[in-house]
Amino acid sequence: EDQVTQSPEALRLQEGESSSLNCSYTVSGLRGLFWYRQDPGKGPEFLFTLYSAGEEKEKERLKATLTKKESFLHITAPKPEDSATYLCAVQAVGSGNTGKLIFGQGTTLQVKP
Amino acid sequence: NAGVTQTPKFRILKIGQSMTLQCTQDMNHNYMYWYRQDPGMGLKLIYYSVGAGITDKGEVPNGYNVSRSTTEDFPLRLELAAPSQTSVYFCASSYLTSSDTQYFGPGTRLTVL
Repeated sequence: EDQVTQSPEALRLQEGESSSLNCSYTVSGLRGLFWYRQDPGKGPEFLFTLYSAGEEKEKERLKATLTKKESFLHITAPKPEDSATYLCAVQAVGSGNTGKLIFGQGTTLQVKP
Repeated sequence: NAGVTQTPKFRILKIGQSMTLQCTQDMNHNYMYWYRQDPGMGLKLIYYSVGAGITDKGEVPNGYNVSRSTTEDFPLRLELAAPSQTSVYFCASSYLTSSDTQYFGPGTRLTVL
């Protein structure tokens, strides 16, 4: 069964304290892995798409990496405005024409000043 | 562009009532989706549409219906609301193929009492 697991569930950092969020996945074949940011009461906001192992993408203080079994979202020198829930989702080759995304349960990040 | 818009933002229903959640996108996207998000759980796909006049079931379609008469609109209908349908509902759209990035609306928080 296709599955996505994110860890940790919650993470508290001091401003400037770098860390990483993990997304482990089990799918029959990976079509794409997506990272989203979700603020309280809002919809998920797209961050990155990764398609193949070894791929990396960066945006400001965020960097996403991908291996054959997991993805990491590295946060360098975070600021309080980086506080949010970060969602990982995969699209499996077996999803065919549906576009179905399999989401993890998210990691809630709190950055204290 | 407004992107993906959803109405209403909040709604309280009594058991057995019906309602329609509205979703509109102005990006000329072919694909549209409905997800539900429950606390501590990943988003689950309810229904999706590959274009006007074409819809199909996702992972959790029971108790819901959809229609897609135009490219822009994808309403979700709840018939005979049940407490198990208490959730936050997100509409999303993607451009041309099922592999393209999905962009989400702000969500509708529904409570069934």
